[in-house]
Amino acid sequence: EIVMTQSPATLSVSPGERATLSCRASQSVNSNLAWYQQKPGQAPRLLIYGASTRATGIPARFSGSGSGTEFTLTISSLQSEDFAVYYCQQFNNWPPLYTFGQGTKLEIK
Amino acid sequence: EVQLVESGGGLVQPGGSLRLSCVVSGFNVSGNFLTWVRQAPGKGPEWVSVIYGGGSAYYADSVKGRFTISRDTSKNTVYLQMNSLRAEDTAVYYCARDLGSANYYYYGMSVWGQGTTVTVSS
Repeated sequence: EIVMTQSPATLSVSPGERATLSCRASQSVNSNLAWYQQKPGQAPRLLIYGASTRATGIPARFSGSGSGTEFTLTISSLQSEDFAVYYCQQFNNWPPLYTFGQGTKLEIK
Repeated sequence: EVQLVESGGGLVQPGGSLRLSCVVSGFNVSGNFLTWVRQAPGKGPEWVSVIYGGGSAYYADSVKGRFTISRDTSKNTVYLQMNSLRAEDTAVYYCARDLGSANYYYYGMSVWGQGTTVTVSS
């Protein structure tokens, strides 16, 4: 089973600054990786798919990078609405298996 | 408008059963991947099950043999039948449209419902 490890668990950043979130897979997942944002009481929202492509309607300040086992989500200039929990998720083609990371909570510094 | 609406959650005793429903609008369940993902209080999401466009179904090890995913194309609805429920099944259950993968490029779970809460307790 592929394990997804996110770091840090909590990240404190000031509005307007850059945030960098990391996700590591225990074995290569190629570009079978997505990032989600979740706010309290809401369902997760797809931000990035294919490791680096922004989903529809996602602002350009969000970017994803990486391939294989190391991935990064960068938010270039934090807005107040960006403070939330972020999850990475991998998809294994066969047998079909989806695994989420444990999340990074992005909080206001 | 693409929308998924879950229902059927509630309080159930350990060993009991529940059937969750996910009514889909804006696309056909028959041609798409539909997943169930759950989230226990204070925890990250956990994938539960997926049904592919052709009808194949797959499960997480934690629910295999106890949960069954199915669909009714005439109602454009996906179901999750949950039997032999345990305290650790307590969670918010979401259904989501999964866009799948091609050439090791994964398109993600693009649309999610609002979730339905399942509580397993005596």
